[in-house]
Amino acid sequence: QPVLTQSSSASASLGSSVKLTCTLSSGHSGYTIAWHQQQPGKAPRHLMKLEGSGRYNKGSGVPDRFSGSSSGADRYLTISNLQSEDEADYYCETWDSNIWVFGGGTKLTVL
Amino acid sequence: EVQLVESGGTLVQPGGSLRLSCAASGFTVSSNYMSWVRQAPGKGLEWVSVVYSGGTTDYADSVKGRFTISRDTSKNTLYLQMNSLRAEDTAVYYCARDRTFDIWGQGTMVTVSS
Repeated sequence: QPVLTQSSSASASLGSSVKLTCTLSSGHSGYTIAWHQQQPGKAPRHLMKLEGSGRYNKGSGVPDRFSGSSSGADRYLTISNLQSEDEADYYCETWDSNIWVFGGGTKLTVL
Repeated sequence: EVQLVESGGTLVQPGGSLRLSCAASGFTVSSNYMSWVRQAPGKGLEWVSVVYSGGTTDYADSVKGRFTISRDTSKNTLYLQMNSLRAEDTAVYYCARDRTFDIWGQGTMVTVSS
């Protein structure tokens, strides 16, 4: 089954950009993933579906500041013009046949 | 409005049982993959179970044989029957739609403790 690896934390300044990475395990580099945001004390929110080609489809109401890209086994979430409300945990997720897996999540701090 | 609303979470003793519900609006549960995902306190997200649009089901190894996912098409509602509960099942339980979990509920808290 696939394994997703994320850095445990990241930080960036208000108004800047940050690029979060989710890496697929060997043999699964072509997989489609999804990115989810979880603000403190809230339920997760779907941000986008991201394919290995780099094509992505954002969820309803997701701001234009959020974008996705891919390179090999790496899947990226870029947030531009960081806002205070972007401080959250970010999870990537994928599936294979009959199981779903999540990355460990990246805690983003907006300075 | 497309929405999922969970209910049924509570405090239960180890070895006990509980049924969670997830009421859907704005779409048809039986036409979609529907999953349960949980999050233990201070931890990450863990997929628990799925019911496919065709009605078949799958489970994470950690709950296989103890939990049962089902749906009621007349009520447009998803369920999770949890038996033989353990302390490590303590978590917020979310229902979510589709392979990409494009819609999430607000969650319901299950605490397993004596």
